[in-house]
Amino acid sequence: DTEVTQTPKHLVMGMTNKKSLKCEQHMGHRAMYWYKQKAKKPPELMFVYSYEKLSINESVPSRFSPECPNSSLLNLHLHALQPEDSALYLCASSQDGTGQPQHFGDGTRLSIL
Amino acid sequence: QKEVEQDPGPLSVPEGAIVSLNCTYSNSAFQYFMWYRQYSRKGPELLMYTYSSGNKEDGRFTAQVDKSSKYISLFIRDSQPSDSATYLCAMSAIIKAAGNKLTFGGGTRVLVKP
Repeated sequence: DTEVTQTPKHLVMGMTNKKSLKCEQHMGHRAMYWYKQKAKKPPELMFVYSYEKLSINESVPSRFSPECPNSSLLNLHLHALQPEDSALYLCASSQDGTGQPQHFGDGTRLSIL
Repeated sequence: QKEVEQDPGPLSVPEGAIVSLNCTYSNSAFQYFMWYRQYSRKGPELLMYTYSSGNKEDGRFTAQVDKSSKYISLFIRDSQPSDSATYLCAMSAIIKAAGNKLTFGGGTRVLVKP
């Protein structure tokens, strides 16, 4: 089991639905990340939160909306997704944003119908 | 040209053999180097983390960094079938006040045969 917990593990949604992915860590880390991973590809960075503030947005479409309610929680709100958004969504955390290694959760496998 | 190059494999070895993995990179600003192992339908698991050039050993794993050649390696001794996975190298530079952006290699699929 990883120290970064992601829920749900699997999600199937239609293109008109609204859903949220959740991520939680209790390691006292102050940087949290969302990644998207397609099959047989490395993770692609989407967003970085550093001390609960959004510090990096990798030009992600607005149908993905991140939120960091506190230092332990990270959400990714989904709305009007496209079939090409089907992927494994990974959350990660690191002690801070200055080169410390990132620790990943096991992801949410998202399928868009 | 990609910033980080990694042979996709698959790399097939018999049980007990040494697995040798490597990545090359072009950005001299990279200072932090990581190796992750990823099993199917799981997230990447941190195996090794190094900052400077040289060797770092942890159990059956040895990581090497050669900044002058922009080349990093991971060696797995006494490989086991449970080591069969995709191995990802990752590296980052220091970005002031913005967070730690990792650049990944494409991953090498490793198969250890009993």
